[in-house]
Amino acid sequence: KAGVTQTPRYLIKTRGQQVTLSCSPISGHRSVSWYQQTPGQGLQFLFEYFSETQRNKGNFPGRFSGRQFSNSRSEMNVSTLELGDSALYLCASSSSGTIHNEQFFGPGTRLTVL
Amino acid sequence: QKEVEQNSGPLSVPEGAIASLNCTYSDRVSQSFFWYRQYSGKSPELIMSIYSNGDKEDGRFTAQLNKASQYVSLLIRDSQPSDSATYLCAVNILIYNQGGKLIFGQGTELSVKP
Repeated sequence: KAGVTQTPRYLIKTRGQQVTLSCSPISGHRSVSWYQQTPGQGLQFLFEYFSETQRNKGNFPGRFSGRQFSNSRSEMNVSTLELGDSALYLCASSSSGTIHNEQFFGPGTRLTVL
Repeated sequence: QKEVEQNSGPLSVPEGAIASLNCTYSDRVSQSFFWYRQYSGKSPELIMSIYSNGDKEDGRFTAQLNKASQYVSLLIRDSQPSDSATYLCAVNILIYNQGGKLIFGQGTELSVKP
């Protein structure tokens, strides 16, 4: 099975711009979660999508949003970028068939905000 | 108190030794616990999942879970230089019995010296 894929792998933006990141989960996985990883805060949960609905949400401002399509692919959008949004954004997929929520990560998108 | 805490690193062990990584968590109802390995510049890779009290062995890796003490650990036997990485402990926080979100510790950096 192919793993989780994310595009683009690297992105450079300037403050105030917006960005859209894409994630394709493992075939058959219906749950997609997004995380932000920074040296200072570590790995932090952004949100989870399941069956095209946001099921869970972390403590991030409304500038961070996402969506999921009928084929389970997901996109994450960050509007009005700030310098502090520079991070590695990781997508993880899960079959979500049990309560255990075993997640597999994609390679990530490294976002740099100048 | 942080939700998931790991012993601070870096942890340095000689090649062939046992590396012991520890993690405590605060959510008493959590049922799913994971260890991820993250090489520098890469995304986290799932190496162990554990759901029941006791030990779970997979090759050179043994995960140990004690729900009463809210403690989970990872032992790496016969450590190799290729095991040098950051090890992340993750706990699934169930939300309304639907999937949930993974909460990560800050990670322990392991260095295996030849």
